[in-house]
Amino acid sequence: EAGVVQSPRYKIIEKKQPVAFWCNPISGHNTLYWYLQNLGQGPELLIRYENEEAVDDSQLPKDRFSAERLKGVDSTLKIQPAELGDSAVYLCASSLGPWNEQFFGPGTRLTVL
Amino acid sequence: SQQGEEDPQALSIQEGENATMNCSYKTSINNLQWYRQNSGRGLVHLILIRSNEREKHSGRLRVTLDTSKKSSSLLITASRAADTASYFCLTGYSGNTGKLIFGQGTTLQVKP
Repeated sequence: EAGVVQSPRYKIIEKKQPVAFWCNPISGHNTLYWYLQNLGQGPELLIRYENEEAVDDSQLPKDRFSAERLKGVDSTLKIQPAELGDSAVYLCASSLGPWNEQFFGPGTRLTVL
Repeated sequence: SQQGEEDPQALSIQEGENATMNCSYKTSINNLQWYRQNSGRGLVHLILIRSNEREKHSGRLRVTLDTSKKSSSLLITASRAADTASYFCLTGYSGNTGKLIFGQGTTLQVKP
């Protein structure tokens, strides 16, 4: 069974440019998460979806970040415009439900120059 | 940013020794999970303990949960060099907020 797929794996952009990350969760997983992880720290939840509904986006900087999960399957996270401080690893995870074991993708390492 | 508390931040032991790391949280939880992250690799789920459970085992892993102290411990027995990684707890808070918060992590180095 395929795991959580993320693309791209690496992205280097200049500040003020837009960037988008894509995630395809494990088939049948209703819950999808986007996390941000800075070096040496634990992941921080940006947004959690239950099917196509964003049920927790309290930590998403909505002035520049947006996300969507059309049809309740794959998801896209966008940053526009990117800032230097957005350099981090962006992780996608999925689970059967919000209190279940989460399966993580390999992440996208974003570098903003 | 919201980060849970874990201690120690770093731990270095010899192969064969036991490693214990702790996680504290603030309010009532639904469950608590532990994850491992090897250098340059993704996060892998280790064990989940529910709020009505006090202890769980999985192979060389033992997790305890003390809801009165709002804390959990992960014990790795007979450690191996391959256990070298960062370990994170994830607390699932109950109630209307339903927040999921990772700890800052414990970096474990197991020397051969």
